[in-house]
Amino acid sequence: GAVVSQHPSWVICKSGTSVKIECRSLDFQATTMFWYRQFPKQSLMLMATSNEGSKATYEQGVEKDKFLINHASLTLSTLTVTSAHPEDSSFYICSARPGAGANVLTFGAGSRLTVL
Amino acid sequence: SQKIEQNSEALNIQEGKTATLTCNYTNYSPAYLQWYRQDPGRGPVFLLLIRENEKEKRKERLKVTFDTTLKQSLFHITASQPADSATYLCAPDATDSWGKLQFGAGTQVVVTP
Repeated sequence: GAVVSQHPSWVICKSGTSVKIECRSLDFQATTMFWYRQFPKQSLMLMATSNEGSKATYEQGVEKDKFLINHASLTLSTLTVTSAHPEDSSFYICSARPGAGANVLTFGAGSRLTVL
Repeated sequence: SQKIEQNSEALNIQEGKTATLTCNYTNYSPAYLQWYRQDPGRGPVFLLLIRENEKEKRKERLKVTFDTTLKQSLFHITASQPADSATYLCAPDATDSWGKLQFGAGTQVVVTP
């Protein structure tokens, strides 16, 4: 079945540094990937849509300069949290749609970011 | 604004019983409704999709109903097992969503032996 790999699974960084999270579709091509953020006991919140070869589209309230998304190939999207602060600590999850038709998503395992 | 409501309280249920979860939505006109399972510290996993013209969908011990008049979906786990313990998320989906799914906050199910 379709697999989305996410790396790293967890990362701890100092405040002010930048962190990059990778999301790969392993056995299918994904022209579009989606990045979500999830705080403890809360729902997944869609942050942005990553489009291969073009700019990402961000949801309202998400700072595009803070969360840089690059989708340089059909199998890789990256999310960079720039100048991270403790309030950016969260669980970041990427997803992709492996098939045409209904919008069933395959999710990565998520990346736990802790900013000290 | 669009809203998706799921029971926020955990559902504690004894092994072998049927768990029933509710998903209500407002200001959506979904063509589909999807259910996902999420384990702690993991990404969600797709379980079932039901279309607006389907009243019921089954997959093994899982059953989903979809009432577009009530704007509600029910998710049933029959003969529940401890391994079914997880959080279950619903996501109404419009045909023009282009894959941008919005999720409910989820309902945690705890199945005790």
